[in-house]
This record gives sequence, C-alpha cells and structure tokens, in this order.
Amino acid sequence: DAMVIQNPRYQVTQFGKPVTLSCSQTLNHNVMYWYQQKSSQAPKLLFHYYDKDFNNEADTPDNFQSRRPNTSFCFLDIRSPGLGDAAMYLCATSRDAGVRETQYFGPGTRLLVL
Amino acid sequence: GNSVTQMEGPVTLSEEAFLTINCTYTATGYPSLFWYVQYPGEGLQLLLKATKADDKGSNKGFEATYRKETTSFHLEKGSVQVSDSAVYFCALGGSYIPTFGRGTSLIVHP
Repeated sequence: DAMVIQNPRYQVTQFGKPVTLSCSQTLNHNVMYWYQQKSSQAPKLLFHYYDKDFNNEADTPDNFQSRRPNTSFCFLDIRSPGLGDAAMYLCATSRDAGVRETQYFGPGTRLLVL
Repeated sequence: GNSVTQMEGPVTLSEEAFLTINCTYTATGYPSLFWYVQYPGEGLQLLLKATKADDKGSNKGFEATYRKETTSFHLEKGSVQVSDSAVYFCALGGSYIPTFGRGTSLIVHP
C-alpha cells in the first residue's frame, strides 16, 4: 500500500543534543509537510516543500531545519532541542497544493527531551 | 485570513447515541472542507471531505454537509460505537496549506 512512513516512532534525546526525524512516502506526492503537535492541540505547521521549493512558516524557530533530498524523503533536524520541543511530529504529503487537496499523514514520531 | 472554530470537548456519549460535532469557518474564496480523525498514538487520517457548497461528505456512517450560508461543516453520526473514540479535526483547504481547528475529543462508553 502507498503510504507515509515515519521513523522512529519514538525518539528520546537529551537537552541540547541534535536529533533528526525522518519521513518517506511512496505516494509520489509533490508536497511534503512537517507539523508539530502538542497534547490536545491542533497540528502546527513548521514548514513545507513544494517539490524542492522550501517554505518556512514565519513563527518556526531557527532551531528547526528541514531537508528534502529527493521526492520520497524529507528530514526534520532539531539542532538544539529544548524541553519545550517535546511533542508529536507529524509528516504529511499531498499530491499538489490547492484548496481541494487531501493531506496524507504518517503515524508520527513522539519526541521526548530529557 | 482563514480560520476554523470547533466545539470544545470532550464529548462523552454512550454507545449508539447520536453525535454532532460543530464546525464553523471563515474563508476567502471557495475552499474544500475536511474532517480528519486521529486515534490515540497515531497520525491524522481523512474521514470525509466536501469540495463545494451543498456537497455532503460521508464515510463509515459519518456525514457532514458544506453549508455556505451558515459557513458550517458539522459532523454527524447516527449511532456511535466505542471504536469511534478519537479526536476529530475540522479543516479548511488553503491555497498552499490547510487550516485546522483545535480538535474535539470524542469518548464513547459501552
């Protein structure tokens, strides 16, 4: 089945120690998104790629970076995680950008910062 | 700008009860409207969608009608099951990115 895969499902890191989360997709979708979701809140968009075109949300901290080396893969790098960065990180894709597009989500990576 | 307002939860029901989760929106243009569901420990998945006014989306017994005159997209189900316990997000399609509501937690007791 075509899908969005996230690894690892759970990640524990230490305060200030860089961490990378990964996402891959077999849907061949043009757009990939990274969201941060804290408990009982809506997903908060961090950034998205339209193909190789990177789009950063204005309020995404500089501590968060992303890479998309090819259509299938996208990475989220947190350079110096703080306690406030503990959250669920969701990767999503859509075939294209536009008001009718459905988003397809991965299962998420839960990040714990000690 | 675009915004979505959902009723606050949790919504607690007994099995076989009728469900309504209210969603209203503010938008420019003619966006699509979506309901996504998130089961515990998982990502979001599309439940249903409607792409234009008066369209009805439906799936797994859930329904929602795109009402442009009341800017609403309320989610309904005639008879909920314990397995429907989850968080439900109303969303509005944007030109590049969607806008999500805060989510409504549904708890169904046997």
